[in-house]
Amino acid sequence: AQRVTQPEKLLSVFKGAPVELKCNYSYSGSPELFWYVQYSRQRLQLLLRHISRESIKGFTADLNKGETSFHLKKPFAQEEDSAMYYCALGGYNTDKLIFGTGTRLQVFP
Amino acid sequence: NAGVTQTPKFQVLKTGQSMTLQCAQDMNHEYMSWYRQDPGMGLRLIHYSVGAGITDQGEVPNGYNVSRSTTEDFPLRLLSAAPSQTSVYFCASSSPGPASLVFHFGNGTRLTVT
Repeated sequence: AQRVTQPEKLLSVFKGAPVELKCNYSYSGSPELFWYVQYSRQRLQLLLRHISRESIKGFTADLNKGETSFHLKKPFAQEEDSAMYYCALGGYNTDKLIFGTGTRLQVFP
Repeated sequence: NAGVTQTPKFQVLKTGQSMTLQCAQDMNHEYMSWYRQDPGMGLRLIHYSVGAGITDQGEVPNGYNVSRSTTEDFPLRLLSAAPSQTSVYFCASSSPGPASLVFHFGNGTRLTVT
């Protein structure tokens, strides 16, 4: 079965502080991991996916198959990063994209 | 380019009433799905479709019906609304191939059942 765990409901940091949003997954096949973001009053949108191995808006995420994790990191948080972040899990032998419960990131000035 | 369009944006129903949430996409995406978003529970998959004429159940399908008669449209039907179906509903679509599972979301429908 596919399962995604985001242990933190809320993460509050000050501007300029490092950020790490945790995501762990459970999947028997070859996983595809994503981070989606929902800014206030905007629709949910893709932030990054693990196979792209790119940095978007300063965020990076590395797939660690040994620890079954896909944590989202940013070295210096900005106020505009405040949003709801969802980790999502798909796979090559599934049609489903399963989301975690989400982490709300608040960045204070 | 409209992307994924959901209607209505808001709806209030009484227990037992029926309604259809509409979802349309103009990107010729094969894959479409419906999620509900509830506080503390994230997005949960209700139903999905890999192409016209094909639908399947997600994590929380009870109380909801879907059909996919065209590539563009994927309506979600509530036959007899219950207060437990109060939620924000999101429709999403994606194309097959290397870009699969990169979802495009609608703006959501906020449903309240009293």
